[in-house]
Amino acid sequence: DSGVTQTPKHLITATGQRVTLRCSPRSGDLSVYWYQQSLDQGLQFLIQYYNGEERAKGNILERFSAQQFPDLHSELNLSSLELGDSALYFCASSAQGRYFGEQFFGPGTRLTVL
Amino acid sequence: DQQVKQNSPSLSVQEGRISILNCDYTNSMFDYFLWYKKYPAEGPTFLISISSIKDKNEDGRFTVFLNKSAKHLSLHIVPSQPGDSAVYFCAATGNTGKLIFGQGTTLQVKP
Repeated sequence: DSGVTQTPKHLITATGQRVTLRCSPRSGDLSVYWYQQSLDQGLQFLIQYYNGEERAKGNILERFSAQQFPDLHSELNLSSLELGDSALYFCASSAQGRYFGEQFFGPGTRLTVL
Repeated sequence: DQQVKQNSPSLSVQEGRISILNCDYTNSMFDYFLWYKKYPAEGPTFLISISSIKDKNEDGRFTVFLNKSAKHLSLHIVPSQPGDSAVYFCAATGNTGKLIFGQGTTLQVKP
């Protein structure tokens, strides 16, 4: 158990809909990262937040947005969903804003868009 | 543009033998490299890392080798055990702090 929790575990929705994925980092970790893993793809970095502020951005679509709240939990919002958005979405956390060591990953949310 | 590549999608080895997983990168600004292991239905877990100032790092049965001139790193597992069967991801980072992952190699260790 990494100490990172993600909800829900599974999500099935239809095209055009909007969903919110939630992540609680390890106790004390200030950084939260979001990743997408599509079929046969590696983990694609989406976005990082550090202590409530956006720190780095990856290949995140404009239809996607994220935020980190004062209690340090984070939400990833996916809107106008398309079939191609079906993937595993992982959240990870680390203590520092600048990566020095390993990130701790949650179990992921499997999103299926029908 | 795939900055971190794992060209072997899968690898099968016999229990007790050495497993060698390879990873190539293109960005010379990367200064820290990591290996993660992932079991089905779980998130990746950190395995071992290496800084660009080193060429080898060892942790028990796991050793990571870095060849900066070739922009290549490898993970050696000796001896391999059936419990090592998983997907292994290579990752790299530079001053941006972003982790760039390879596509993964599925290792199967046969009893």
